[in-house]
Amino acid sequence: GNSVTQMEGPVTLSEEAFLTINCTYTATGYPSLFWYVQYPGEGLQLLLKATKADDKGSNKGFEATYRKETTSFHLEKGSVQVSDSAVYFCALRDSSYKLIFGSGTRLLVRP
Amino acid sequence: NAGVTQTPKFQVLKTGQSMTLQCAQDMNHEYMSWYRQDPGMGLRLIHYSVGAGITDQGEVPNGYNVSRSTTEDFPLRLLSAAPSQTSVYFCASSLGQGSASNTGELFFGEGSRLTVL
Repeated sequence: GNSVTQMEGPVTLSEEAFLTINCTYTATGYPSLFWYVQYPGEGLQLLLKATKADDKGSNKGFEATYRKETTSFHLEKGSVQVSDSAVYFCALRDSSYKLIFGSGTRLLVRP
Repeated sequence: NAGVTQTPKFQVLKTGQSMTLQCAQDMNHEYMSWYRQDPGMGLRLIHYSVGAGITDQGEVPNGYNVSRSTTEDFPLRLLSAAPSQTSVYFCASSLGQGSASNTGELFFGEGSRLTVL
C-alpha cells in the first residue's frame, strides 16, 4: 500500500543552521505531497504542498520539491530559528483521497 | 472562525467504559476524518467520511465507531475502552475531492487527549 517514510529524529540544530528533513514515499499514480507542522500542544497545520512532479512548495522560508524519479519530498530551510522548533510530518494524499502521514520528525533549535 | 472544534480536550476513562469524542466543523467541508497520534508512529487514520451518511474505515478502525448524520458533525465512539486506546485523537476536515477550489489541505482540530486506565 501507499506509505511515507521520514528520517527519525530528533534533529537538533543551532540557530541559523541549514535544515534538511528527508521524506520518501511509495504510492501508485500521482499523489499530492504535503508537509505539516505541529507546534507543542497544538494540532497540525499545513506548511507547504506540491501537487505534481517538479513542483516546489514553499512557505515561511521552508521549501520542498516533488521529485518523482526519486520518490522524495525533502524539506529544507536555509537558516532555522528557535521558533521553528516543532514536529514536522510529511504526508501524501492518494487517489482514494486519504491523507497518509509519516512518523514525524522532531526539530529542536538551540539559541 | 471556529474551524474544527473537538471536545473534550482531556478525558480519563476506566477500562470497559464508553465515551464519544465530538468533532464539529463550520467550513461546510464534505470530507472529515479521525486520526490517532502515538509516539513514534505518526498519525494513523481511524475512520473517515466523504459526506453526510457515508463513512469508511481507515488503517486502525477496530474498537471505534463513527456516524455522519450531518455535514458539520463527525463523532467518534469508543464502545468499550481499552488501555491500548490511550492516545491523542485529532479530527480533520477538508473540501470534497470534487470541489473546484480544493487544495487538498486538511484542517485539524486541537486534539483530544484520552487516557484509559
